[in-house]
Amino acid sequence: SQQGEEDPQALSIQEGENATMNCSYKTSINNLQWYRQNSGRGLVHLILIRSNEREKHSGRLRVTLDTSKKSSSLLITASRAADTASYFCATDPYGGSQGNLIFGKGTKLSVKP
Amino acid sequence: EAQVTQNPRYLITVTGKKLTVTCSQNMNHEYMSWYRQDPGLGLRQIYYSMNVEVTDKGDVPEGYKVSRKEKRNFPLILESPSPNQTSLYFCASSFKHRTDTQYFGPGTRLTVL
Repeated sequence: SQQGEEDPQALSIQEGENATMNCSYKTSINNLQWYRQNSGRGLVHLILIRSNEREKHSGRLRVTLDTSKKSSSLLITASRAADTASYFCATDPYGGSQGNLIFGKGTKLSVKP
Repeated sequence: EAQVTQNPRYLITVTGKKLTVTCSQNMNHEYMSWYRQDPGLGLRQIYYSMNVEVTDKGDVPEGYKVSRKEKRNFPLILESPSPNQTSLYFCASSFKHRTDTQYFGPGTRLTVL
């Protein structure tokens, strides 16, 4: 069951520009997490936002959550070549099974130097 | 160093030959899970475990088995692998629950001929 869907599937920008990725989901959630994956490697946790939060910051990352639209966005400011990776949202469906964390298909970000 | 380890990292095998992919974490985490990652399909959860001797199915459990005899280990067993199980596999762990930060292993690339 695919819950989160990231948009766009791929994004190519120049170093220094901002990158925005979106995640839409279908059912009510307890929280939403964003992860980064460098090519072929394990995912790394970036940030978690709870359903009662609207915005959260961590360094150059800014995450927003709109529960009425069932969507979240991840903004990376002043991007660097090292930000090149795939970015995934993961949702924890409210009332879902106790163990099932559901990942989207990801946005592939390419930052050109 | 806090980490999740998986072995082997790469494996080429033939249809029907039983195999085990090991996963171990040194963070005393209660929650562990297995995912497979396929192009265009994103990450899909195979099995998860809330604690020792407690396991449950994720989204795509068919053809897989797991066990959780010790807190630190969560092996993934393919009793009779088939070519459609060719994939990139990730083990992950978190403190207690799916909503906690997930720590991912480096991945195991499996090819079944």
